Amino acid sequence: KNEVEQSPQNLTAQEGEFITINCSYSVGISALHWLQQHPGGGIVSLFMLSSGKKKHGRLIATINIQEKHSSLHITASHPRDSAVYICAVGLTDKLIFGTGTRLQVFP
Amino acid sequence: GAGVSQSPRYKVAKRGQDVALRCDPISGHVSLFWYQQALGQGPEFLTYFQNEAQLDKSGLPSDRFFAERPEGSVSTLKIQRTQQEDSAVYLCASSLGRGANYGYTFGSGTRLTVV
Repeated sequence: KNEVEQSPQNLTAQEGEFITINCSYSVGISALHWLQQHPGGGIVSLFMLSSGKKKHGRLIATINIQEKHSSLHITASHPRDSAVYICAVGLTDKLIFGTGTRLQVFP
Repeated sequence: GAGVSQSPRYKVAKRGQDVALRCDPISGHVSLFWYQQALGQGPEFLTYFQNEAQLDKSGLPSDRFFAERPEGSVSTLKIQRTQQEDSAVYLCASSLGRGANYGYTFGSGTRLTVV
C-alpha cells in the first residue's frame, strides 16, 4: 500500500465546474503539500498546510489530521487549470509524493 | 537567479554512458533535494543535502548514482553506466529552511532518456 494515495487518478470537467481531489496518507507527517505540474514543466507549490484550511484565489486546500486526509478544491474551473495535481506529505527531511491526479478542463 | 535552474533540460545517453545533471538552487537556500520521476508516476525521493552535507541518500537506487554539493550551493547528480531503467525526469528542489516543513521551489527537471 502506498503511503500517499490520491483519488481520482484522472478527472475531466467542463469549464465552471467545482473540482475536488482527495489525498489520504498513512504516516505521521509534519506538513502536507499540494503541487501542480504542467506537461513538460516543473512543479509549482500551491499550498503547504499542517492544519485547517487555506485559500488562494480559486483554490482551497483542507486537511484533517485525525483522519489523515486532505482535499484540494478548485472553484469555477477553467481550461488553464488543466494539469497534474500532486499531494505530498512531509516527513522529517523529505517529501513522499502521491502519484498525482490528471485534471482536464474542457471549454 | 530567481528560481531553481536545472541543466541540461534534456539528455539522451547511450546505455553504459556516464551522465552528470546539474542543479542551481535559489541563492541562500539551505536544503536541496533530488527526486526521480518515472513516466506517469509521482516523484520518488533520491537524496537530500543540508548545505554541503548529504544527510539522506536512502533513495539512491544503486551505487551507480552519486550526488554532491561541495560548496553548499550547486549540486550535481551523477549516474554511471546508465541503464534503460534510469530513463526518467530528475527533479531538483530547494528550500530556505531545514526539513520538510518549509516551502519548496522546484526546477523544471532534466529529462533523461537512455537508449
